[in-house]
Amino acid sequence: EAGVTQSPTHLIKTRGQQATLRCSPISGHTSVYWYQQALGLGLQFLLWYDEGEERNRGNFPPRFSGRQFPNYSSELNVNALELEDSALYLCASSRGQGMETQYFGPGTRLLVL
Amino acid sequence: RKEVEQDPGPFNVPEGATVAFNCTYSNSASQSFFWYRQDCRKEPKLLMSVYSSGNEDGRFTAQLNRASQYISLLIRDSKLSDSATYLCVVARNTGGFKTIFGAGTRLFVKA
Repeated sequence: EAGVTQSPTHLIKTRGQQATLRCSPISGHTSVYWYQQALGLGLQFLLWYDEGEERNRGNFPPRFSGRQFPNYSSELNVNALELEDSALYLCASSRGQGMETQYFGPGTRLLVL
Repeated sequence: RKEVEQDPGPFNVPEGATVAFNCTYSNSASQSFFWYRQDCRKEPKLLMSVYSSGNEDGRFTAQLNRASQYISLLIRDSKLSDSATYLCVVARNTGGFKTIFGAGTRLFVKA
């Protein structure tokens, strides 16, 4: 069974640009979660999608947004990039909602110059 | 105060040692508990779920104390390959489902 996949693996942008990150969940998983992990810091919850809808978001500004497609894949968009947005962005998926175990993809490393 | 707090690391132990990690959580409505392992520059991977009765998987034992809002992970007979960051994870469904990760405890196992 294929795991969670993310693309691109690395992304370099300049301040003010937009970044789009993609995630494909494990087959059969309907929930997708996005996390930000800045260097040396813990995982910070960004967004949770389930069945195509945003179910919850963390304490991030509105320039962090995303969506989930009918095939349950997901996109994270970060507008007006700032230097502090440089981080590893991890996507996880789970079966259904809530307390199910989350399985992580390898992440996208975003560098904002 | 963070909702999930872990022992500050790093822990430096010799091979074969027993090491214990502690984690406390502040929200009594928390319902699910996990330990994840994260290797350097890699994604977190589930190590084990934590059940109320405690559970064991080989050299790893997890305990949950709901009254004290405390979770522990014990690693016996440490191996070099156990070197990683261990993340305590708590999930709850109050005011919307949330998964909260602790900042992690770094473990170095040395020969």
